[in-house]
Amino acid sequence: AQSVAQPEDQVNVAEGNPLTVKCTYSVSGNPYLFWYVQYPNRGLQFLLKYITGDNLVKGSYGFEAEFNKSQTSFHLKKPSALVSDSALYFCAVRPSSSDSWGKFQFGAGTQVVVTP
Amino acid sequence: GAGVSQSPSNKVTEKGKDVELRCDPISGHTALYWYRQSLGQGLEFLIYFQGNSAPDKSGLPSDRFSAERTGGSVSTLTIQRTQQEDSAVYLCASRAGQVTYEQYFGPGTRLTVT
Repeated sequence: AQSVAQPEDQVNVAEGNPLTVKCTYSVSGNPYLFWYVQYPNRGLQFLLKYITGDNLVKGSYGFEAEFNKSQTSFHLKKPSALVSDSALYFCAVRPSSSDSWGKFQFGAGTQVVVTP
Repeated sequence: GAGVSQSPSNKVTEKGKDVELRCDPISGHTALYWYRQSLGQGLEFLIYFQGNSAPDKSGLPSDRFSAERTGGSVSTLTIQRTQQEDSAVYLCASRAGQVTYEQYFGPGTRLTVT
């Protein structure tokens, strides 16, 4: 069975400092990996994905993530955090071999708080 | 706007009542998902529709939950005989098709069962 772990319920960072949100996964075969962000009272927004190819993927709003197969991780990073990055971040995984596109597994989410 | 819309945005109901939640996906999107978001629990997959294929209902928590998608567009999630543990935010998402990956989410319906 597939699973996603976001080990930190909350990450606090000062504006201008690097931001990292951790994600590890467990899946049979090769994973498809995703990051979504949820701003208050809004639906989730797609940030970036890893399907194949370069392990470092770049996404919206200056975010990037690195796929590490040996550590089964897909940590989200931003070199310099903004107060406006304060939101709830979700990691998601889907096995590439899944017969059903419905089998996305989301993590519990990590609340990011960026202070001025 | 061309995004996913959901209605109502908030619903308060008494235990034992039935509720219907509506989702209007992005026009032309063939895939539609329902998720449940509970505090601290992340997103729980409920059901998935893809075109005219039989829906994947494997995430529905009980037979009190059902969903339909009419005409390949609008979807309705129905919860019968609501229980307090059904209180959550119900999110709908749509995806363009089989070779795309990004899901586009609606703002959700916050359901409170009293």
